[in-house]
Amino acid sequence: GAVVSQHPSWVICKSGTSVKIECRSLDFQATTMFWYRQFPKQSLMLMATSNEGSKATYEQGVEKDKFLINHASLTLSTLTVTSAHPEDSSFYICSARDGGQGGETQYFGPGTRLLVL
Amino acid sequence: QKEVEQNSGPLSVPEGAIASLNCTYSDRGSQSFFWYRQYSGKSPELIMSIYSNGDKEDGRFTAQLNKASQYVSLLIRDSQPSDSATYLCAVNPSGGNEKLTFGTGTRLTIIP
Repeated sequence: GAVVSQHPSWVICKSGTSVKIECRSLDFQATTMFWYRQFPKQSLMLMATSNEGSKATYEQGVEKDKFLINHASLTLSTLTVTSAHPEDSSFYICSARDGGQGGETQYFGPGTRLLVL
Repeated sequence: QKEVEQNSGPLSVPEGAIASLNCTYSDRGSQSFFWYRQYSGKSPELIMSIYSNGDKEDGRFTAQLNKASQYVSLLIRDSQPSDSATYLCAVNPSGGNEKLTFGTGTRLTIIP
């Protein structure tokens, strides 16, 4: 149980285009999902916390107008990187909190590699 | 000041030996503690969670928590080359905040 999926796993796009990444909890309901970014050989960096039916909470320094987050249902959150630029190339990982098991356990999706040319 | 600290390593352990990974945290009111394993190029995978003082065992893995010393550790018995990865310590701070605070991770290499 506690499986989180992400789609797509890889995306290559041209500078200036927008990219949407989906995160789904497959076998549990996730009232809260989290979006992280990780550059090579660096730590996970939390970008935002996404709560179902409400606006996302962004971490300091993360542009909310550039990284649009939508959490329309208890099993789906999306991250849209708008007007992507090469510096946005990174490994984007979502996690979902399973409130039914211990309350705070987060399960990670497999991640999405974004390369902006 | 970092809230969760780990030795970045690399930590090298011979195959079959016990690997010991350590983590300290600053928020004394923290209640939930997690160990994740991250293989190179992959996303983190939950290994263990622990909420109470003492030891918690799951197969070859044992998590140890000492809230008085603000210290949590992960022991890996009979280390295998497949255990080579970066291990992330994560803490849910007090105050009802849903975010986990991660350490920077310890890179573990098991030497055959």
